[in-house]
Amino acid sequence: EPEVTQTPSHQVTQMGQEVILRCVPISNHLYFYWYRQILGQKVEFLVSFYNNEISEKSEIFDDQFSVERPDGSNFTLKIRSTKLEDSAMYFCASKSGRALIDTQYFGPGTRLTVL
Amino acid sequence: GQQVMQIPQYQHVQEGEDFTTYCNSSTTLSNIQWYKQRPGGHPVFLIQLVKSGEVKKQKRLTFQFGEAKKNSSLHITATQTTDVGTYFCAGQHSGGSNYKLTFGKGTLLTVNP
Repeated sequence: EPEVTQTPSHQVTQMGQEVILRCVPISNHLYFYWYRQILGQKVEFLVSFYNNEISEKSEIFDDQFSVERPDGSNFTLKIRSTKLEDSAMYFCASKSGRALIDTQYFGPGTRLTVL
Repeated sequence: GQQVMQIPQYQHVQEGEDFTTYCNSSTTLSNIQWYKQRPGGHPVFLIQLVKSGEVKKQKRLTFQFGEAKKNSSLHITATQTTDVGTYFCAGQHSGGSNYKLTFGKGTLLTVNP
């Protein structure tokens, strides 16, 4: 069964450094998402991406964040200058373009630790 | 903003007991989805409810969507240790075109064998 993959599984970085989290969505999906989950808390929406542009973003997704689909398969989340409070699990998700099929499939996540 | 409230936050049961978690949205939902997250894992899709008053069953799990499409519940009959995890509801709100999910805080279920 097709699945969303994410790399790396764990990223440790120093505060102020840039990080890029990578995702490979399911191949025929058209909608892509990033969510984050701070330890012990709920999953929070960050951004949705469709037709090569951001379609919606949350208040968490400030100027330090950006997303890109550099080729036909990868979907990346960049944090330019990480802060301690960016430490969280980051999940990528993708959804089919088919109408009425709303299921989002989540990747295994990248645990980001900012020191 | 759009919010989805979920209760209880924690539930500890003896194996064989039933379990229910409830979700309530501040606004009407186009659909609600339920996910299970095992400790250290990622959200895994369980089911989607779309129609007002809809009830769906998956073996020992029963999912309901309220008539007003603002609340939902998940009921597990005769829990087993394999049911351990956090159950999240996630709503898609009416009028949205991006299909983003608004998650509840989740209910952590622990089962004593």
